[in-house]
Amino acid sequence: EAGVTQFPSHSVIEKGQTVTLRCDPISGHDNLYWYRRVMGKEIKFLLHFVKESKQDESGMPNNRFLAERTGGTYSTLKVQPAELEDSGVYFCASSQGRGFRYEQYFGPGTRLTVT
Amino acid sequence: QKEVEQNSGPLSVPEGAIASLNCTYSDRGSQSFFWYRQYSGKSPELIMSIYSNGDKEDGRFTAQLNKASQYVSLLIRDSQPSDSATYLCAVNAYSGGGADGLTFGKGTHLIIQP
Repeated sequence: EAGVTQFPSHSVIEKGQTVTLRCDPISGHDNLYWYRRVMGKEIKFLLHFVKESKQDESGMPNNRFLAERTGGTYSTLKVQPAELEDSGVYFCASSQGRGFRYEQYFGPGTRLTVT
Repeated sequence: QKEVEQNSGPLSVPEGAIASLNCTYSDRGSQSFFWYRQYSGKSPELIMSIYSNGDKEDGRFTAQLNKASQYVSLLIRDSQPSDSATYLCAVNAYSGGGADGLTFGKGTHLIIQP
């Protein structure tokens, strides 16, 4: 069974540009999560999809970030326009169900560098 | 604000010894607790989950949970050099309809000395 995949693995963009990150969850996992780790800090929750619906986006830093999950399969996270403080590693995770007994499995992450 | 605290280390343990990693959390409503292992530049890999007070063993790993003390730990027996990694403690406070994202600690860097 394939794990969570993310693309690209690394992106370097200039301040003000747009970047779109993609996440493909484990097949059959309705729950998809985005997290971010900035240098020196802990991994922080951004948002949660159940199928195509945003369940919780309380962790999204501001309106420059837009996440979508059309059709309830893969998800994209767009940053527009990118700022220097957006640099970090963006992780995607998926789980089979929702609730405290369901485990989240992480993808390899996308390292975003904004210059 | 929910917080998860871990000693950042590095924690250095000789090969074959027991490595003990600790984590405390602030949200008393937390329901489930996870330990992830992360090698440099790689994704967090789930190694243990625990939901009830007490011990849970899986191979060389034992997770311990004490909800009254808001404390969770991970013991690694017969430590191997391949266990050298950063260990992340994560907590889920999901209570049915609420937020389901994990709250992470900063991680403990473990070094197993051959």
